Amino acid sequence: GQGVEQPDNLMSVEGTFARVNCTYSTSGFNGLSWYQQREGHAPVFLSYVVLDGLKDSGHFSTFLSRSNGYSYLLLTELQIKDSASYLCAVRGGSNYQLIWGSGTKLIIKP
Amino acid sequence: EAAVTQSPRNKVAVTGGKVTLSCNQTNNHNNMYWYRQDTGHGLRLIHYSYGAGSTEKGDIPDGYKASRPSQENFSLILELATPSQTSVYFCASGDFGGTYAEQFFGPGTRLTVL
Repeated sequence: GQGVEQPDNLMSVEGTFARVNCTYSTSGFNGLSWYQQREGHAPVFLSYVVLDGLKDSGHFSTFLSRSNGYSYLLLTELQIKDSASYLCAVRGGSNYQLIWGSGTKLIIKP
Repeated sequence: EAAVTQSPRNKVAVTGGKVTLSCNQTNNHNNMYWYRQDTGHGLRLIHYSYGAGSTEKGDIPDGYKASRPSQENFSLILELATPSQTSVYFCASGDFGGTYAEQFFGPGTRLTVL
């Protein structure tokens, strides 16, 4: 079947980096988005990738490999305020709407 | 100034009752969406719309209706609410293009059906 998978939790240390992984299997693919969601708040858009390779957006980068059905969000120079859930969403399926992963909760320790 | 607003923010309903969740956007987007979010699940698409007068079924439309009377407003209607519809509901707006795909979310409505 089709779906988007993410690990439930990830822990890292302030000042270092964290890589949030996303694997997907969908019928059709028209891009992959990353969102940040803080506890009790709505998702906020971070990045959209449609081509293979690395896209650098400063504090974070996103990588996509369409042949492997794989993406990651890389956050560098982590700050405590980066603690949040990170959601991966693939535009695909029969109606080309977003198919969402359940999110990875990133905990950053001092 | 918030571009997507939802009302109510919190709602307690009784089983079998009718619930209407409202959403308003000032982004002038053609597309609007209703999602629900439950622990252990990603956001799941209930209904969406391509513009005024249009509604489309998403991935989990059963038990829900939608209405898009204008570009700005999109409502989600639960005719006969059930406890399984207890969830957090998000409305979003956003248009897809060649290199852009951002959806803008409202603050969410927490619905409890007793």
